[in-house]
Amino acid sequence: KAGVTQTPRYLIKTRGQQVTLSCSPISGHRSVSWYQQTPGQGLQFLFEYFSETQRNKGNFPGRFSGRQFSNSRSEMNVSTLELGDSALYLCASSLNSVTEAFFGQGTRLTVV
Amino acid sequence: ILNVEQSPQSLHVQEGDSTNFTCSFPSSNFYALHWYRWETAKSPEALFVMTLNGDEKKKGRISATLNTKEGYSYLYIKGSQPEDSATYLCAPLGTGANNLFFGTGTRLTVIP
Repeated sequence: KAGVTQTPRYLIKTRGQQVTLSCSPISGHRSVSWYQQTPGQGLQFLFEYFSETQRNKGNFPGRFSGRQFSNSRSEMNVSTLELGDSALYLCASSLNSVTEAFFGQGTRLTVV
Repeated sequence: ILNVEQSPQSLHVQEGDSTNFTCSFPSSNFYALHWYRWETAKSPEALFVMTLNGDEKKKGRISATLNTKEGYSYLYIKGSQPEDSATYLCAPLGTGANNLFFGTGTRLTVIP
């Protein structure tokens, strides 16, 4: 079956712009989580959606937002980009929070 | 946010050596522990999901044990091979939680 698909794979944006990243989960998976990884840091949890509802949010400013559609596809948006937002953004889907998570290839965002 | 610690941060071993590393997490409100392997230029991939105290899981040359009372898990690799080179991440899940908090990982390099 198809894996988790993230688009785009690479993105370069300018400070102050906004960006939208997309994640298509494995068919049947209703939980989608987003993570940020910066050099020297582990995977930092951004938010988790289940059946179109955000159930959890990590310790990130309000510039980071997301949503999930009825087909479980999810998007995350970052407004007013800052240089420090340059990172690898990963999404992961799972049947529920206990079962293993399947990760996408990630979107590498560079803010210049 | 759960305080997850992994040690060591990095490890270099010779091909054929056996190795192990540790994941420490809060023992209260424990529900499950996930282990993932993250190879360079790939996505994190699930190794194990463990829930029971004393549980031991095995996949090929890799095995893991879990102690929920004292809040730690060990990951063992027997006869390390160069293809085992990766960052190994653990993520505990608390009772009632819906998202994983990852440790910073142990970066393993197996020298041929």
